[in-house]
Amino acid sequence: GAVVSQHPSWVICKSGTSVKIECRSLDFQATTMFWYRQFPKQSLMLMATSNEGSKATYEQGVEKDKFLINHASLTLSTLTVTSAHPEDSSFYICSAAGTSGRSSYNEQFFGPGTRLTVL
Amino acid sequence: AQTVTQSQPEMSVQEAETVTLSCTYDTSESDYYLFWYKQPPSRQMILVIRQEAYKQQNATENRFSVNFQKAAKSFSLKISDSQLGDAAMYFCAYRSAWGNKLVFGAGTILRVKS
Repeated sequence: GAVVSQHPSWVICKSGTSVKIECRSLDFQATTMFWYRQFPKQSLMLMATSNEGSKATYEQGVEKDKFLINHASLTLSTLTVTSAHPEDSSFYICSAAGTSGRSSYNEQFFGPGTRLTVL
Repeated sequence: AQTVTQSQPEMSVQEAETVTLSCTYDTSESDYYLFWYKQPPSRQMILVIRQEAYKQQNATENRFSVNFQKAAKSFSLKISDSQLGDAAMYFCAYRSAWGNKLVFGAGTILRVKS
């Protein structure tokens, strides 16, 4: 399968600061990237879907001004958690998908995740 | 909207034994994909197996196989000859054939006893 990387793998920050997480598709062009949030022993919760060159589509209940997503190229998407607070502490996972239309290659390839701890 | 239900929060299996994880889903679509993902302690999501809804034949990948019952909207995962490395959280997921969003179940924690 394709390789997706995330950076950093973990980050600790102070309350009120902003944190940027990068998601890169290393060996394919990702037309669509997804950002998930996961709490311990729970399922993945989709936060937003981003398509290269356009604004992200946020799921209901996700604050778009707090979780800024940029998908500036076919290999890079970033999630910025602005003015982070302890309740934003979580595990953030990105995934990337290649093509659109009816294709098994719409398959999502997942990054290894980023653990964010806000003090 | 589609939903995926995993009714077993936790399961245990003895090493070398067989275990089946349950998954049911609800959809009005006829064309879709179903997946099982494994999330080990490293938390890296790993695709275990995929099933296209238009295929009647159940997918298999080495020790992993599915029982896909389209009419019953059931998609269970059977793990044969369980190994310690199979211990993980397993997620069942649905995706429309024409979309790219995954709908995940709540997950099942699988423990493997030696």
